[in-house]
Order: sequence, then structure tokens, then C-alpha cells
Amino acid sequence: GAGVSQSPRYKVAKRGQDVALRCDPISGHVSLFWYQQALGQGPEFLTYFQNEAQLDKSGLPSDRFFAERPEGSVSTLKIQRTQQEDSAVYLCASSSSREQFFGPGTRLTVL
Amino acid sequence: GQQLNQSPQSMFIQEGEDVSMNCTSSSIFNTWLWYKQDPGEGPVLLIALYKAGELTSNGRLTAQFGITRKDSFLNISASIPSDVGIYFCAGLRNSGGSNYKLTFGKGTLLTVNP
Repeated sequence: GAGVSQSPRYKVAKRGQDVALRCDPISGHVSLFWYQQALGQGPEFLTYFQNEAQLDKSGLPSDRFFAERPEGSVSTLKIQRTQQEDSAVYLCASSSSREQFFGPGTRLTVL
Repeated sequence: GQQLNQSPQSMFIQEGEDVSMNCTSSSIFNTWLWYKQDPGEGPVLLIALYKAGELTSNGRLTAQFGITRKDSFLNISASIPSDVGIYFCAGLRNSGGSNYKLTFGKGTLLTVNP
């Protein structure tokens, strides 16, 4: 597609459930990023992939968060045993240079 | 996590007015980016700045990369109702090998009264 796509757009989970969020980057973009955006805040970096290699996961809040990009294209962000503080918009971005292009995000609500 | 200092936090203006917002940091950034985010959507890139002192325009938008590399501003001229949204500044550093990690401001909420 022409832009970054993410699915689902909205996800409601009960506390303790596992969730998986998908990102389809712009075709040919080597770099892929995940950000977390809390209500009323700017996005905050979670993790970075170059092709299939996860080069930086320093922003992941806890070991309940896991991201993968096994074939260097589609990426999945998984959150295990969700907590209420995980409620946020999760944004994916891809890049072929210094400019990062964002998807529409997945709004996760944990009840 | 660290965020840039962005001001003002919100603005309410009349259609046709000019708008100015800025971002400051205690650290040096090597790239400044300005994004606009509409409700329920991801940030959309408006302008990218790569050199200290650089002044770049995109239609009614003008942005500058401060010469100290610690600040940037965005101007919108002759505002129209579709300018409504949240504007974010974001910076990239070259230090520590993390020249890919965007640091964002908290955003400026712009409301335009027709």
C-alpha cells in the first residue's frame, strides 16, 4: 500500500489478556519503529528494527512487551498479561531515511 | 521519558490569522521534524529540517532549525479551518548511536474559529 497500515485500529482487552498489534510498513522501508502515545502526550519510542533485526528495545516498558519482524516486513507488537497502564495508542512508523512515516495507530483500552 | 518543551500548549485563533509555535531542548538535535496529528490518526510529517539555521517552507507553513540546534519554530500563515489539530515537534540526535530515535514534544492544540 501507499502508507503504513496498522490493525486492529481499536482493541479492548480485559486485564490479564494477551494482545497482538500488527504493522504493515511502507514497501521497501528498511527501518520500522514502534511508539506508545499516552493521552495528551507526544509519542514515546518503544523499539526499532532494521530489516528483521531488533536493534533497540530500550523503550519497552517491561518484559511483558515483545516485538518481532521475522521477515523484515510486517511487524507484530505483543503485550502479555495486559495492565490498565498499558492503555494507549500504539503507533508504528517506517523509514528509508531520517524521515519517519506513521501509521494510524491502534488504540488499546485495558479494562 | 524525555520530551521536548513545546509551547504554547494550546491556541484558539480566528480564521486568517497567523500562528507561531516553538520547541526547545536542553540537548542538541541534528534533525528537527514537525508533524500534525488529527483525532484518531497517526502523525503526518509536515516539514523536515536538517541544518542549523535552515529555514524551510511548505505552502503556508514555514519552519526554522535554530542556530544553537536546541530549538525550532513553526509558523502557519493565513490559517484555515482544516489547520485544526495537534502539532508536534520531534528531534533526532546523533549521539550514542541512537540517531533514529525520535523525541517528541507534548504538542500544541490548534483551534481555528471560522
